[in-house]
Amino acid sequence: DIQMTQSPSTLSASVGDRVTITCRASQSISSWLAWYQQKPGKAPKLLIYKVSSLQSEVPSRFSGSGSGTEFTLTISSLQPDDFATYYCQQYNSFWTFGQGTKVEIK
Amino acid sequence: EVQLVESGGDLVQPGGSLRLSCAASGFTFSNYEMNWVRQAPGKGLEWLSYISSSGTTVHYADSMKGRFTISRDNAKNSLYLQMNSLRVEDTAIYYCVRVRLQLFDCWGQGTLVTISS
Repeated sequence: DIQMTQSPSTLSASVGDRVTITCRASQSISSWLAWYQQKPGKAPKLLIYKVSSLQSEVPSRFSGSGSGTEFTLTISSLQPDDFATYYCQQYNSFWTFGQGTKVEIK
Repeated sequence: EVQLVESGGDLVQPGGSLRLSCAASGFTFSNYEMNWVRQAPGKGLEWLSYISSSGTTVHYADSMKGRFTISRDNAKNSLYLQMNSLRVEDTAIYYCVRVRLQLFDCWGQGTLVTISS
């Protein structure tokens, strides 16, 4: 099974900050990496797929990069609506999620 | 509007069984693969099971094999998860999820399953 490890688990930031979340796969997953955003009490929402492709209507302040086993999600200028938990997901072999990164207000 | 609505969550004793349902609307259900994903209280997301659009192919996470069974009825636009031999650690919100190009592009609101004596 492919394991996904995110860091950090929690991130404290202010509005306007640039934020980066890292996701590592236990083996190469090529570019089959997605990111999801989840707000409290809500279902997750697909943000980015195939490492760097933005889902429809996702703001351009979100971006993704990486390949193989190491990937990053970057929010260029954190907005109030972005405080949430973010999960990476590999879909190279079935599906596995990272443990999540909570972005909280500093 | 694409919609997935789960139901069937309940409080069940350890060792018991439960059948979850997911009603799909707003899209041609029979054209899409589907999954079940769960989230334990305060924890992350865990993929559980996959079913092909026709229902002929299913896959399970290793930890679910033998206890959970996924199925669908395309005539009723419905997805199901039969859960047996339930354990305290199965307590979670269970999500029905549509798959498009291997991605989880539409999620239901979830149904809460609580396993407790």
